[in-house]
Amino acid sequence: EADIYQTPRYLVIGTGKKITLECSQTMGHDKMYWYQQDPGMELHLIHYSYGVNSTEKGDLSSESTVSRIRTEHFPLTLESARPSHTSQYLCASTRTVTGELFFGEGSRLTVL
Amino acid sequence: GDSVTQMEGPVTLSEEAFLTINCTYTATGYPSLFWYVQYPGEGLQLLLKATKADDKGSNKGFEATYRKETTSFHLEKGSVQVSDSAVYFCALSATNSGGSNYKLTFGKGTLLTVNP
Repeated sequence: EADIYQTPRYLVIGTGKKITLECSQTMGHDKMYWYQQDPGMELHLIHYSYGVNSTEKGDLSSESTVSRIRTEHFPLTLESARPSHTSQYLCASTRTVTGELFFGEGSRLTVL
Repeated sequence: GDSVTQMEGPVTLSEEAFLTINCTYTATGYPSLFWYVQYPGEGLQLLLKATKADDKGSNKGFEATYRKETTSFHLEKGSVQVSDSAVYFCALSATNSGGSNYKLTFGKGTLLTVNP
């Protein structure tokens, strides 16, 4: 069983609020990822990191930002949430060689 | 660039029916191929994988064979159960120039519903 945790699981907030979605893994994985999953199920890579102090934007442009100060922690922040940010956000991590991703259970964000 | 095309859903079957979900890919080099499953309200979890041509991945009665000649990795199960109801994603991981796999390319997902 994968040891990767996301909090909160569910969040309902008003427009303009700042939010941070937390993601932590205890497997010592160097690579971590954030995916946005739309209601049609499709996954979109929005951020990834290959290690401490390394972050990159993914395939889908996002107004969110990420940081990687510690290996095990990869938080995602929205400075000013909007209804268009309503979605499920999935965090994942991997060991270097196999490419197999381990996913957290997701954070479902609703912006009113 | 790399891409994965999988059978569009939704797919609805009766219990004990045979399941096939088609997946084809485009990639440079020699990708590893994966099937992930997402149960309602959960994140994705690896169902099976294959890392080279002609490999067969299998788990929980599901199987998929890496076919390089047809660039396919179709998911099959001989007898589905209600508990198999979920979204299934095909994915590939291509080795970059540095020799390390770095990110997966996912298909759009196929929703499977199995009725009793």
